[in-house]
Amino acid sequence: QVQLQESGPGLVKPSGTLSVTCDVSGDSIRNGRWWSWIRQPPGKGLEWIGEIYHSGTTHYNPSLKSRVTMSVDTSRSQFSLNLNSVTDADTAVYYCAMNGPWAAGEDWGQGILVTVSS
Amino acid sequence: QSALTQPPSASGSPGQSVTISCTGTSGDVGGYDRVSWYQQHPGKAPKLMIYEVTKRPSGVPDRFSGSKSGNTASLTVSGLQTEDEADYFCSSYGGSNNYVFGTGTKVSVL
Repeated sequence: QVQLQESGPGLVKPSGTLSVTCDVSGDSIRNGRWWSWIRQPPGKGLEWIGEIYHSGTTHYNPSLKSRVTMSVDTSRSQFSLNLNSVTDADTAVYYCAMNGPWAAGEDWGQGILVTVSS
Repeated sequence: QSALTQPPSASGSPGQSVTISCTGTSGDVGGYDRVSWYQQHPGKAPKLMIYEVTKRPSGVPDRFSGSKSGNTASLTVSGLQTEDEADYFCSSYGGSNNYVFGTGTKVSVL
């Protein structure tokens, strides 16, 4: 059973860059699955941000594509999310997840709340 | 790409059934058999309940079932139990290596 754990600053200033990392354990990050970032503003629904493969290939949500960068470090079994030019609207719980068969999230991390505020 | 449309709430008594709809377009729900459903309890991460429209991951009770007709997918919870009270989200592959989630439905067990 794979375990995922998000980490990163809980507070980011407006116009700054949000950076979150996901540690993968219990399975190899090279297991043939895609790895997603998904967010949820407080009291609202889920939004798929994008996904990355262990090779570094990425797919991003078109609505966020201009501000998102994802990367993977297979030696550390980690993948990361950078979101730049953040505003209040980017305040959310950020989840990392291992994709299932055509499902953006079979196993999920516990999530990390990132607040954008000055 | 717009969020898939779900009713804000649904409810049922213990032992009854409740069905939640998820409406999209021919570009997502209607175009692919790649709809999934997630259960989320307050303060917890979502849990995958259904994938590829009808398939259940190991450990998910067979009280949960999925279906699809045209641009609308549905999740049915039969034999409602108190622990089924939660938020439920649908998701669909949207083409062009993209996924879209639904607006969410709060299920109450009366």
